[in-house]
Amino acid sequence: GQNIDQPTEMTATEGAIVQINCTYQTSGFNGLFWYQQHAGEAPTFLSYNVLDGLEEKGRFSSFLSRSKGYSYLLLKELQMKDSASYLCALEYGNKLVFGAGTILRVKS
Amino acid sequence: DAGVIQSPRHEVTEMGQEVTLRCKPISGHNSLFWYRQTMMRGLELLIYFNNNVPIDDSGMPEDRFSAKMPNASFSTLKIQPSEPRDSAVYFCASKRSSYNEQFFGPGTRLTVL
Repeated sequence: GQNIDQPTEMTATEGAIVQINCTYQTSGFNGLFWYQQHAGEAPTFLSYNVLDGLEEKGRFSSFLSRSKGYSYLLLKELQMKDSASYLCALEYGNKLVFGAGTILRVKS
Repeated sequence: DAGVIQSPRHEVTEMGQEVTLRCKPISGHNSLFWYRQTMMRGLELLIYFNNNVPIDDSGMPEDRFSAKMPNASFSTLKIQPSEPRDSAVYFCASKRSSYNEQFFGPGTRLTVL
């Protein structure tokens, strides 16, 4: 399988920066997605990386290194509303294969 | 614009009963996906359609599950007979073929007693 690994849980403080990692043991995927999912809600799109490097979008940035087999999502200036699950997903054609997700808790 | 619409939002049924979940994709989107999410297995793709045609159903757990897409604006996922282990949140998502992002519906929380 794709063996997509993410930390199960992370805790960070409001206003801080947090990095959520995603590692995988596969190749041949089109791109890598990050989705955010609040408890009881649907996943919503955050970012998409095709090429190696950093994609910045406001407070959120995502990085991909295909040669090293990892990606990370960087959240800056954390807010309480950022408490959610963050899902990494690999894209194969039209299909997405999701990691188990990382539950981020932001404390004041 | 309306997003992906799913119904019902919650369903509680007894083991052995038939369950039908419904999805209306975003207008103009020609790919539709059915996912299941549980604590144990995370978010898994069950089946997806392109232009109303099933392309990959390798994620469908067994013959008790079936999905149809009779037209571009409607799809169903049916479980017959339902079992307690089918309890999960079922999401429908859609996308345009020319774009990468999938848009998820609010999900149906299914409980099989």
